[in-house]
Amino acid sequence: NAGVTQTPKFRILKIGQSMTLQCAQDMNHNYMYWYRQDPGMGLKLIYYSVGAGITDKGEVPNGYNVSRSTTEDFPLRLELAAPSQTSVYFCASSYKTGTEAFFGQGTRLTVV
Amino acid sequence: AQSVTQPDIHITVSEGASLELRCNYSYGATPYLFWYVQSPGQGLQLLLKYFSGDTLVQGIKGFEAEFKRSQSSFNLRKPSVHWSDAAEYFCAVDNYGQNFVFGPGTRLSVLP
Repeated sequence: NAGVTQTPKFRILKIGQSMTLQCAQDMNHNYMYWYRQDPGMGLKLIYYSVGAGITDKGEVPNGYNVSRSTTEDFPLRLELAAPSQTSVYFCASSYKTGTEAFFGQGTRLTVV
Repeated sequence: AQSVTQPDIHITVSEGASLELRCNYSYGATPYLFWYVQSPGQGLQLLLKYFSGDTLVQGIKGFEAEFKRSQSSFNLRKPSVHWSDAAEYFCAVDNYGQNFVFGPGTRLSVLP
């Protein structure tokens, strides 16, 4: 049972570099989410998607982009990395409204 | 906007003692509520959820939570804490079926 798979687990970026955080789920979930977790701040929603081809901004979208071309995949793109994007990123998915979210193991990103 | 507050940033209890973690939410409709647990370096795991019906819900690992509409609360309880319960605990609310809003988390330490 793979569930939600995130890659990579760790990454160090230099300021101004770009990268894509990968997220895939094998549960045929319609809803997918990207959150970032900073100490003492809980999880903040970056982007979410309610189905293939549909994405929407969350609370903290600046500096990020997403796409959802398939039900399974929801990559998060960081353009021009900044130190403020140092964080732990979690991808999650859920089946439908009112059901729980399943989380990946996270990607720890450091921007130096 | 929906919000979730967890008034206690850090709680320390002795092994075998009872535990109550507080959660208050701000939501305009009947809420779907969740408690998640995060062990160090791991993703979030669902402990329990409330959708409707009985206001006392049972979860995994011996946890339970009580929904009190009049107090806008969904407190998590466990009668006897084990050392393995040391982790961070997050309360969350379904945000009108679009995504989830999380509280800032409560870190639980357990003394031997």
